[in-house]
Amino acid sequence: AQKITQTQPGMFVQEKEAVTLDCTYDTSDPSYGLFWYKQPSSGEMIFLIYQGSYDQQNATEGRYSLNFQKARKSANLVISASQLGDSAMYFCAIKGFNKFYFGSGTKLNVKP
Amino acid sequence: EAGVAQSPRYKIIEKRQSVAFWCNPISGHATLYWYQQILGQGPKLLIQFQNNGVVDDSQLPKDRFSAERLKGVDSTLKIQPAKLEDSAVYLCASSQGAGGSGNTIYFGEGSWLTVV
Repeated sequence: AQKITQTQPGMFVQEKEAVTLDCTYDTSDPSYGLFWYKQPSSGEMIFLIYQGSYDQQNATEGRYSLNFQKARKSANLVISASQLGDSAMYFCAIKGFNKFYFGSGTKLNVKP
Repeated sequence: EAGVAQSPRYKIIEKRQSVAFWCNPISGHATLYWYQQILGQGPKLLIQFQNNGVVDDSQLPKDRFSAERLKGVDSTLKIQPAKLEDSAVYLCASSQGAGGSGNTIYFGEGSWLTVV
């Protein structure tokens, strides 16, 4: 069985500051992938960043970086220099054994 | 490259009526997923196709939900009869393959269903 846990239902951050969204996971598949998606109020799920279980380096994509701590089974998303347009729901997901599972999400509000 | 296409975007029906959603995945993507997302929750997988075969439908309420992917390209998800608790966004997604942890799935804009 696989499990993804996001313990922060909501977060606030000041514009231009950095924010960390937490994600922990559990899987018995030794080869798994971790993903983060953004869902604005329009409803579309937008892929942000991917980290493979065997990747040595933490993934980065522009202002997004994934803080991967394999031993702790955590895959936190760091957004640097927050913008008002970053206000949205953020979902962590794991792919293992050919199946995707999503967490319950974190709602991020960026304050001007 | 065109993304995942879904229609209709919005649908309001009365309980016990039927509804169908259509999805066309990204060209060349072998794996197609249907997710149900209830407001305030994460997406829940309903069914996963690999080409035109079903890989996982363990969470599909088969007494009222059905899905098909004829010819391994586009797919239709049907609900009959609908219940109030089916009100949700139905997200279609696709990926290049099923195997390998690196196959990112890409989502359509979703079909918003309200059952009254």
